[in-house]
Amino acid sequence: QKEVEQNSGPLSVPEGAIASLNCTYSDRGSQSFFWYRQYSGKSPELIMFIYSNGDKEDGRFTAQLNKASQYVSLLIRDSQPSDSATYLCAVRNAGGTSYGKLTFGQGTILTVHP
Amino acid sequence: GAVVSQHPSRVICKSGTSVKIECRSLDFQATTMFWYRQFPKQSLMLMATSNEGSKATYEQGVEKDKFLINHASLTLSTLTVTSAHPEDSSFYICSARDNPRDRKAFFGQGTRLTVV
Repeated sequence: QKEVEQNSGPLSVPEGAIASLNCTYSDRGSQSFFWYRQYSGKSPELIMFIYSNGDKEDGRFTAQLNKASQYVSLLIRDSQPSDSATYLCAVRNAGGTSYGKLTFGQGTILTVHP
Repeated sequence: GAVVSQHPSRVICKSGTSVKIECRSLDFQATTMFWYRQFPKQSLMLMATSNEGSKATYEQGVEKDKFLINHASLTLSTLTVTSAHPEDSSFYICSARDNPRDRKAFFGQGTRLTVV
C-alpha cells in the first residue's frame, strides 16, 4: 500500500508569517510530487509541482523535495487569510499496477488569522 | 491550466435511482480521466481510471457494476452511480491530464451527491 502522510493540523499562523506544510511518502520510486489547495466545498486546485530534489519557487510558494528522506514540503510566505484552506500533498506512483496514479495525503488544514 | 468541466455540481436523488455525472475536457483531448470520491473531512480516493475506447480500470474495493464509467470520446467521460444508497453520498471529482506525457493533473469542479 503506497502511503502519503501529512499532519492534518489544523495549522494556524498569523497573517504575514510563513506557513510550513510537510508530507512524507512511502514509494521510494516516486518521481512526481504535487501540492493542491482545496477550499471547503470545492475541488482541488494545483498550486505547485516538483520533480527534482531541491527547492522550487513560484511567487509566495516554495516546494522542497528530498527524495533520499522521502519528504516534500510547501512553504507559503507572507501568508494571507485567503490562503486558509486544506492543502493536499499528492504523489504520482512509480510503477506496477499503480503506475501514473496519484495518491493523496489526508490534507493539512491551514488557517491564517488576521 | 487546462480546463476540466464537471456537471452537475450538485444533485439530490432518491435511494434506488441512478445518477449520471459528466466530465469534459474543454480545451484538450484526454485519453485518460480519473474519478475520485471524497467523504467529509477525508482525502481523495481514486475510484477508477477511465480510458477512451476501452474499459475502465477500477481500484480495489470499488464495485464496477455499481459505478459505471463510459469514456466514449476524447473529451467526455461519464460516471453513473446505479441504485444509489445514502452511503454513496459523497463528493465525486474527475481529473485529466492535458498531455499524456505531462505529469500534472487538473480537476473538475466536483459533484456533490446526496442520496435521500
